[in-house]
Amino acid sequence: GAGVSQSPSNKVTEKGKDVELRCDPISGHTALYWYRQRLGQGLEFLIYFQGNSAPDKSGLPSDRFSAERTGESVSTLTIQRTQQEDSAVYLCASSLATGLARTGELFFGEGSRLTVL
Amino acid sequence: GNSVTQMEGPVTLSEEAFLTINCTYTATGYPSLFWYVQYPGEGLQLLLKATKADDKGSNKGFEATYRKETTSFHLEKGSVQVSDSAVYFCALTDNAGNMLTFGGGTRLMVKP
Repeated sequence: GAGVSQSPSNKVTEKGKDVELRCDPISGHTALYWYRQRLGQGLEFLIYFQGNSAPDKSGLPSDRFSAERTGESVSTLTIQRTQQEDSAVYLCASSLATGLARTGELFFGEGSRLTVL
Repeated sequence: GNSVTQMEGPVTLSEEAFLTINCTYTATGYPSLFWYVQYPGEGLQLLLKATKADDKGSNKGFEATYRKETTSFHLEKGSVQVSDSAVYFCALTDNAGNMLTFGGGTRLMVKP
């Protein structure tokens, strides 16, 4: 597609439920990133994929969070047993494999806003 | 680890006013520095960048100079417009260039 697409754009769930957030990166972009933005705060790095592999999982806040990527394309971020502190906007971004160090250009989606009641 | 600190907003200016948004960083090695902008209802997009000390990044009338001695990358614009109203994020790459570390963002509101 023309840009990074994320779904759902808004999700309201009850505490304890599982949620899945989806990201479709720009075609041909082999690097994919997930960030979290809590209200009034900056972007918090969660996980990064190069192809289908995740070299850096250090940002995942707990074992309730997991992510996968298939076909060097779509990625899914799963949050199990959601808690109220998980409420945030989850942002996905993609870049060319070797692009980031030189250009710094990540292409972001509009985010998925998660509200846990 | 790497970190980025920005001035807190919101910053409210009148049209044609001068803008400065402060950004300082902590990093090992020689990171590249960036400003991203998020317009209302849109995703973040790269505004400008600088890859080494004393470089000046510029775009759409915005400028920022990579100051290694003060570990700063302040964003400036001589005359802001209402259309510049957005949230601005300062960021840097790690040494491997594999990910961006972002500051907390600064909301700019420009009034006509």
